[in-house]
Amino acid sequence: DIQLTQSPSFLSASVGDRVTITCRASQGNTKNLAWYQKKPGKAPELVIYAASTLQRGVPSRFSGSGSGTEFTLTISSLQPEDFATYYCQHLDSYPCTFGQGTKLEIK
Amino acid sequence: QVQLVQSGAEVKKPGASVKVSCKASGYTFTRYYIHWVRQAPGQGLEWMGMINPSGGSTRYPQKLQGRLTMTMNTSTTTVYMDLSSLNSEDAAVYYCAREWSRGYSDGYHDGLDVWGHGTMVTVSS
Repeated sequence: DIQLTQSPSFLSASVGDRVTITCRASQGNTKNLAWYQKKPGKAPELVIYAASTLQRGVPSRFSGSGSGTEFTLTISSLQPEDFATYYCQHLDSYPCTFGQGTKLEIK
Repeated sequence: QVQLVQSGAEVKKPGASVKVSCKASGYTFTRYYIHWVRQAPGQGLEWMGMINPSGGSTRYPQKLQGRLTMTMNTSTTTVYMDLSSLNSEDAAVYYCAREWSRGYSDGYHDGLDVWGHGTMVTVSS
């Protein structure tokens, strides 16, 4: 099974900051890597798929990169609505595990 | 519009079973896989499995094998998640979600793009 490890687990930042979250896979050649935003009481929302493709309707301040075993999600200029928990997930094989999450909090 | 509508909240006793439904609309039901994901209080997202509405094949994680069954009804475009022998660790919000793909035969599995609103399952004696 592919395990995903996110870092950091918690991130404190201010509006306007640039932040980066990392997701490391336990096995290489991961290509179907997705990122989600999760807010309390709401369903997750797809932000990035195929490691670097922005989901339709998601603001361009979000970007994804990486290949193999290391992937990143970057938010170029944090907005108040971006404070949430972010999860990576791989869909290359079963089980389609999630990372443990990164909680992005307002400083 | 594309949407997944889930059944309502459930309260079950330990040892009982729960069946949650997820009705799809606004797209060709058999074209995209449906996954189930749960989130226990204060915990992260946990992948529970998937069903391919074109044929009904399923995949479950090892920890839920033997307790989890996913089924579907193509005439009503509804998928079902049935979890038996409930214990306190199964108390969670359960989500169904559609897996978007540019082409499964080309190896594309492009993330879960449409989600149900979630169904809270409480396990209490």
